[in-house]
Amino acid sequence: KNQVEQSPQSLIILEGKNCTLQCNYTVSPFSNLRWYKQDTGRGPVSLTIMTFSENTKSNGRYTATLDADTKQSSLHITASQLSDSASYICVVRSDSNYQLIWGAGTKLIIKP
Amino acid sequence: ETGVTQTPRHLVMGMTNKKSLKCEQHLGHNAMYWYKQSAKKPLELMFVYNFKEQTENNSVPSRFSPECPNSSHLFLHLHTLQPEDSALYLCASSQEWGGTISHEQYFGPGTRLTVT
Repeated sequence: KNQVEQSPQSLIILEGKNCTLQCNYTVSPFSNLRWYKQDTGRGPVSLTIMTFSENTKSNGRYTATLDADTKQSSLHITASQLSDSASYICVVRSDSNYQLIWGAGTKLIIKP
Repeated sequence: ETGVTQTPRHLVMGMTNKKSLKCEQHLGHNAMYWYKQSAKKPLELMFVYNFKEQTENNSVPSRFSPECPNSSHLFLHLHTLQPEDSALYLCASSQEWGGTISHEQYFGPGTRLTVT
């Protein structure tokens, strides 16, 4: 069964610190993986998309990695800011039926 | 702003009421979606319209009825809902649905629905 598991479920860190969020998937065949950021009271917004051949992709202070062999992705946030407080959602696209399999998200809280 | 608007933002309804959620996209996209988002659960895809044709209906109860009059507007008609239907309902749009190209989905802010 195609699944996407995210960890931790929630995370609290101090402003200025770094953090890493994890996404493990069992989706096969794999097409691509996206990370979304969802602020409270808003819909998800795409941060980055990674295909099979990409290992690392950056978007400002956000860096996503992908290991297609172990079926793991991570989202690293550098020098966190209060505005980074949000839920981060990983979604994987199946290459067989183009369905999107969504993770439950990690709720990140940045404290001053 | 993502270019996708939803109204109302909040809705409280009794189990015998009939209400409708509205979504409008200003991005020129051809695909529109309804998702249900419950706390600590993955987004659940409910319906997909591609070029105004319904292409996906993921075993959604008949008390939810979608309508897509044109490629810019999407409605979700609600009737005789249950308390477990309380959730955030998100609308999204993308260039197209399916195919070899993975098109980014743009989401509206959602409608927070409470069924009493």
